[in-house]
Amino acid sequence: GAGVSQSPRYKVAKRGQDVALRCDPISGHVSLFWYQQALGQGPEFLTYFQNEAQLDKSGLPSDRFFAERPEGSVSTLKIQRTQQEDSAVYLCASSLVWPGGDGYTFGSGTRLTVV
Amino acid sequence: AQTVTQSQPEMSVQEAETVTLSCTYDTSESDYYLFWYKQPPSRQMILVIRQEAYKQQNATENRFSVNFQKAAKSFSLKISDSQLGDAAMYFCAYRSAMAGGGADGLTFGKGTHLIIQP
Repeated sequence: GAGVSQSPRYKVAKRGQDVALRCDPISGHVSLFWYQQALGQGPEFLTYFQNEAQLDKSGLPSDRFFAERPEGSVSTLKIQRTQQEDSAVYLCASSLVWPGGDGYTFGSGTRLTVV
Repeated sequence: AQTVTQSQPEMSVQEAETVTLSCTYDTSESDYYLFWYKQPPSRQMILVIRQEAYKQQNATENRFSVNFQKAAKSFSLKISDSQLGDAAMYFCAYRSAMAGGGADGLTFGKGTHLIIQP
């Protein structure tokens, strides 16, 4: 596609519910990143994929967070047993290659609200 | 770990004037990349300009330019001839040139809200 597509755009979940957030990167982009952006803050790195391989998951805040990219294109970020502190915008970004100095192309994010 | 600090939560400028947004960072690395991103209400982060640490020359993209002071670990963004469409959150970001061990992602500052007065 022409850009990075994320769905849903908004998600309201009851505390304890599981959620799945989808990211469809730009076709052919090897690298894919997930970020969490709390209200009034800058995005924080969660995890990184190179094709289907998850090379870095050091930013995942707990074992309730899980990400996958089984075929090296679409990625899903899953949060189990959601808590109020999980409320944030979840941003996905992709890039053609890594490493490199190119900035990434970001999607418009999914705003998750846990009530 | 690297940190990025943006000390101006909000800045206001008259349309057509020039404004400078500040950013400092802390790192022990010698090779890295620095970025400025714009985030409008649509939430999509849009790359404004980037700088490679090993390059002495300051990057320029049309009305946007940076003042990169490597020794001072400073990376400010200057916007000339401000336009109403420039209004947004601006984030400074750092990325290591190394791979792995948590270095793969961007480290962002907390952002500066830029207001353009007509």
